[in-house]
Amino acid sequence: DAKTTQPTSMDCAEGRAANLPCNHSTISGNEYVYWYRQIHSQGPQYIIHGLKNNETNEMASLIITEDRKSSTLILPHATLRDTAVYYCIVRVSYFTGTASKLTFGTGTRLQVTL
Amino acid sequence: DVKVTQSSRYLVKRTGEKVFLECVQDMDHENMFWYRQDPGLGLRLIYFSYDVKMKEKGDIPEGYSVSREKKERFSLILESASTNQTSMYLCASSLSTGAGYGYTFGSGTRLTVV
Repeated sequence: DAKTTQPTSMDCAEGRAANLPCNHSTISGNEYVYWYRQIHSQGPQYIIHGLKNNETNEMASLIITEDRKSSTLILPHATLRDTAVYYCIVRVSYFTGTASKLTFGTGTRLQVTL
Repeated sequence: DVKVTQSSRYLVKRTGEKVFLECVQDMDHENMFWYRQDPGLGLRLIYFSYDVKMKEKGDIPEGYSVSREKKERFSLILESASTNQTSMYLCASSLSTGAGYGYTFGSGTRLTVV
């Protein structure tokens, strides 16, 4: 799996867009970008994933640069409940046999404030 | 919604005790995983299983074993608990194919060994 680099922490005002960057310059052609988040004292939660096109769902948008070396997770209107650690993970999209494991880095701690 | 249920939210055990942490998922997922999470070290994979009776070591298997006798249940066993196994333990599951979203996590078991 390709290595990712994320800022250690970020702040965002409630109601504003939170833009969380991730660098993955060694990403391979068949690797996807996954985002998870972990709210304090809970298990991580899937947010979104994408290959090369921008993706949007009810939780967030994922913008991947054309060269795929970096991406940004966007929470369009951050609330206090979005305060969490956000993990960017790059891996293939299948979870078969010994390739099923998922490796987490240290993520970005997002603090949403009033 | 996929549910991954961990049998205990909090557990206190004595040094040397044999400890069983149970995890059950209700969506017929092939893969199941055990992680531990410690401050500053992130999530680390202990063991995983991609089929009934199959198990694979993760990054930190020492001091642990696992059992998967049925598809829906994955048990983590601490043969002789030690204080350095005090941690948050997280179970997860995933499909092996078509698993675009990756993993679903349980809420975690906070184990304290005294």
